[in-house]
Parts: sequence; C-alpha cells; structure tokens
Amino acid sequence: AQSVAQPEDQVNVAEGNPLTVKCTYSVSGNPYLFWYVQYPNRGLQFLLKYITGDNLVKGSYGFEAEFNKSQTSFHLKKPSALVSDSALYFCAVRDIMFSGGYNKLIFGAGTRLAVHP
Amino acid sequence: NAGVTQTPKFQVLKTGQSMTLQCAQDMNHNSMYWYRQDPGMGLRLIYYSASEGTTDKGEVPNGYNVSRLNKREFSLRLESAAPSQTSVYFCASSPREGGGNTIYFGEGSWLTVV
Repeated sequence: AQSVAQPEDQVNVAEGNPLTVKCTYSVSGNPYLFWYVQYPNRGLQFLLKYITGDNLVKGSYGFEAEFNKSQTSFHLKKPSALVSDSALYFCAVRDIMFSGGYNKLIFGAGTRLAVHP
Repeated sequence: NAGVTQTPKFQVLKTGQSMTLQCAQDMNHNSMYWYRQDPGMGLRLIYYSASEGTTDKGEVPNGYNVSRLNKREFSLRLESAAPSQTSVYFCASSPREGGGNTIYFGEGSWLTVV
C-alpha cells in the first residue's frame, strides 16, 4: 500500500542552525515526491518536488531535499534556519506505477517546525 | 494572478444545515480537487475533477457533493451538515491529473458545525 510517514510531530531548531524535516515513503513503483509548507491560517504552498534526475532538489525559500531510493526517504533540509521558517510542513508522494484510477497524492500527517531566536 | 480562490473563509453551521463552498482558479488548469484537513491526519481527498465535465470520489466523499461548473469553478456542497464535518477545507488545482504535476492550493475554508 502507498504511504508516507513523517516520524516527527515537531522539530525544534535554533535560528541559524541547519534544519532537517524527515519523510519516508512506501510505493509500489518509482515515486514522485513533494514538499509543501503551511503557515498559520493559510493554504499549503508548494516548496519543491522530485520527479527524476538529480537526487538533490532545490526549492523555494532556500529549502532543498534529498531523494534516497535505498532508504526510501525524501528529507527536507535548509542550511540556516530562520524564525520565519516556523510552520507546518507536509511531505507527499504519488506512485507512478499506480493504475487503478485517480493517481492520488498521499500526504503525511505533517511536521511542525519551530525555529527559536 | 490570484491562483486558487475559495469562499467563504470562515463559516459556522448548525447540524442539518446545508451550504456550498465555492472555488475558482485562474491558471487554466484542467484538474481540480477538494481536500479536508484534520489535526494529525494530513490532507484527505474528498472529490476531484480530472477535467471539465467529470467528477469522481476521493477517500472521504460521504456527506458531500460537488459540481464542476466550468473549467474555472468547482464547488463543494454539504447537504446536511454534521459535527464530523467540522474541518478545514482546501480547494486545489493542477494542470492535469496525476504524474509529476504540482497541485496548487487555495487559502482554506474553516468550517465549524455545531
């Protein structure tokens, strides 16, 4: 069954330190992977996606993510965190081998990132 | 360029009342979606419309109906609201269904059913 897991409900990091938000996935074929960010009382904003090619994907606001096929992971990273990065982050996966109708995007439960001054 | 616009942003309903959430996108996207977001559960798909003229059920369609009015607009209707439908609702769109297409979200509609 297709699934995505975000093992941490919350991540705390000091401003200026590097941050990592973890995501692992399980699909039957090769995955398309996405990261979204949600600020309080706002909709989800697209950060980046992995489709194919280079395992390191660069996205908006200085974020990047590394696709690791052997570990089935797609962790979100940023070299230097800002207080304004504090938000809820969602990982999502789509299975490109799925052939049963709608090619559904499956979301993780979300990880709350808190960046402290 | 407004992207995905949904209304209303906040609504309180009494159990049994009906209401329609409106959604429009100006990106000329073919596919549109309605999701609900509940704490600790991520986003779950209610209904989707792969293209104008088609609608299909997602993961949690019970208690909802949808209408793809034209390419731009996709509405969600609660015929008889229940407290279990208290949630945040997001409309979204993408160039087409599936693949590596990015889904773009509206700002959300906070619905409380009392």
